[in-house]
Amino acid sequence: DQQVKQNSPSLSVQEGRISILNCDYTNSMFDYFLWYKKYPAEGPTFLISISSIKDKNEDGRFTVFLNKSAKHLSLHIVPSQPGDSAVYFCAASIRGGSEKLVFGKGTKLTVNP
Amino acid sequence: NAGVTQTPKFRILKIGQSMTLQCAQDMNHNYMYWYRQDPGMGLKLIYYSVGAGITDKGEVPNGYNVSRSTTEDFPLRLELAAPSQTSVYFCASSYLASGFTDTQYFGPGTRLTVL
Repeated sequence: DQQVKQNSPSLSVQEGRISILNCDYTNSMFDYFLWYKKYPAEGPTFLISISSIKDKNEDGRFTVFLNKSAKHLSLHIVPSQPGDSAVYFCAASIRGGSEKLVFGKGTKLTVNP
Repeated sequence: NAGVTQTPKFRILKIGQSMTLQCAQDMNHNYMYWYRQDPGMGLKLIYYSVGAGITDKGEVPNGYNVSRSTTEDFPLRLELAAPSQTSVYFCASSYLASGFTDTQYFGPGTRLTVL
């Protein structure tokens, strides 16, 4: 039973265009959502997060949107750069507890020059 | 700060052998976690600890044991290694403040193969 789903295993975009990565969740108790970026042979690194009290959070080229009614979030990268090529994991947690993260399977983003 | 460090980077085990994956953090984080990532899958939580002397099971704890005798170290023990434990193992840590933890910081991972 997958509680966090990333239905697109891969995404390819041109440099300078927008990348949109999607994530769906099933557990309505989740109230904190994160995106992690992972390069090969490295550990995941935190990218951006959003609390369930917000519907948008922006950090430079990265924006995360949350639609609680649809249990859906998305990560927008504008403009995309070749260095953004990596696997992106969506994760969710219930704050105030042990903060255990539940991860999606990841989406491999390739940004072509 | 070295952040979260893991040793070894790679290891090949034979079925039935045992080993300990080491994890250390120098950020004075009270929460620590062990995840495994199988090919094409997301990370799954094995065990976690909210402080020295306190550990608890995650989603996939079978075949593993942990201990947390200090704030800095959180070793993961594999007893009787099985091919199903072939995976990449990540340790992570975070800091609890005002009732909520900061983001989790991950180590570089240990790639384990059981043959």
